[in-house]
Amino acid sequence: DTAVSQTPKYLVTQMGNDKSIKCEQNLGHDTMYWYKQDSKKFLKIMFSYNNKELIINETVPNRFSPKSPDKAHLNLHINSLELGDSAVYFCASSDPWRGDGEQFFGPGTRLTVL
Amino acid sequence: KNQVEQSPQSLIILEGKNCTLQCNYTVSPFSNLRWYKQDTGRGPVSLTIMTFSENTKSNGRYTATLDADTKQSSLHITASQLSDSASYICVVSPSNDYKLSFGAGTTVTVRA
Repeated sequence: DTAVSQTPKYLVTQMGNDKSIKCEQNLGHDTMYWYKQDSKKFLKIMFSYNNKELIINETVPNRFSPKSPDKAHLNLHINSLELGDSAVYFCASSDPWRGDGEQFFGPGTRLTVL
Repeated sequence: KNQVEQSPQSLIILEGKNCTLQCNYTVSPFSNLRWYKQDTGRGPVSLTIMTFSENTKSNGRYTATLDADTKQSSLHITASQLSDSASYICVVSPSNDYKLSFGAGTTVTVRA
């Protein structure tokens, strides 16, 4: 299936731990994104990479570090997890040459920090 | 600051009834407006896209409208089904930036 996939789907961890979320897309897109969706369902852009280069870096604590080993993967590493990091994190991808801006979203990773 | 506001925040309708969701935006310069459907526990999926010159576009029982002059869009759901229960998110794309502007979504609950 062509899609954006994320692992894990659920992540429960203690405060202070370090964790990673992985994202892969097989759509051949050049641009990938990480979004955070809080309890109010509002999607906020965190990072965007185009062909492995960072192009969007919103005001996100430097405990969050994205890594793009190739244009099909964009992983998110979070250090020293805090209670406020609990949210659903979505990875997305798009084809910037397509022009209409459609982003294809992964299924989300629900992170719970205890 | 580019903003997208949606109303109502949530609504409950009976199966078979119609409903209309609203989206107002201030994004400029405007490229397109897209409605996404997000089922519980899933990622958003695009329903329709509206460009500047389009007034109405349908996708099955979903009909989107756009008034680019007043910067308003609506999404009308006809003959609702239980599977329409979801969050509907209005997303506006500027013509001069990668970043999209997201609304907070309208949560629709369809009851039998």
